[in-house]
Amino acid sequence: GQQLNQSPQSMFIQEGEDVSMNCTSSSIFNTWLWYKQEPGEGPVLLIALYKAGELTSNGRLTAQFGITRKDSFLNISASIPSDVGIYFCAGPPSNDYKLSFGAGTTVTVRA
Amino acid sequence: DTAVSQTPKYLVTQMGNDKSIKCEQNLGHDTMYWYKQDSKKFLKIMFSYNNKELIINETVPNRFSPKSPDKAHLNLHINSLELGDSAVYFCASSQDTGGPGWDEQFFGPGTRLTVL
Repeated sequence: GQQLNQSPQSMFIQEGEDVSMNCTSSSIFNTWLWYKQEPGEGPVLLIALYKAGELTSNGRLTAQFGITRKDSFLNISASIPSDVGIYFCAGPPSNDYKLSFGAGTTVTVRA
Repeated sequence: DTAVSQTPKYLVTQMGNDKSIKCEQNLGHDTMYWYKQDSKKFLKIMFSYNNKELIINETVPNRFSPKSPDKAHLNLHINSLELGDSAVYFCASSQDTGGPGWDEQFFGPGTRLTVL
């Protein structure tokens, strides 16, 4: 599958700060997904995006599907300690039905 | 009730051994998957089964053999384990809606395999 470029690799933030991460690909994607993985658990879907330009929120999380269909970003506002984990972007490229994952962004929140 | 469950949670074994990881989903889904997460947390699909038939088989050594006895189970058997097989293996499932677009995948808690 197509490998996604996700950045930053890790973030250390203070509680209350906003977090932003993004994902890019050389291929066009029809769907962009954002997952969160907590220690010892499997990834859990946070937000799914289906249309270019789409902006979707889930509580303090907001994600956007880039206009070019080759990128997406995820914002977390007013971070809290339970936001710690690894956040993955993922998606099936338009020429592939398999799910490709980014390398993940590890978020650590300091109280 | 756990939607997607895997056993065991941890597996420590010697090189050369044969081991199996079991996966069960109680969501009534048609499609099940196995993913490998390496030490750098990179997730990569290995296999996918739809209604007990293999539909995705990535470039995985043939020491890895998935077995789907029924729609709710997809087990992973690994022969002649090697050091490089150490990783976390995730099972996932999705409902094949048959329509355009992507069907959400639900992941199990993972099995951490350590080969010594």
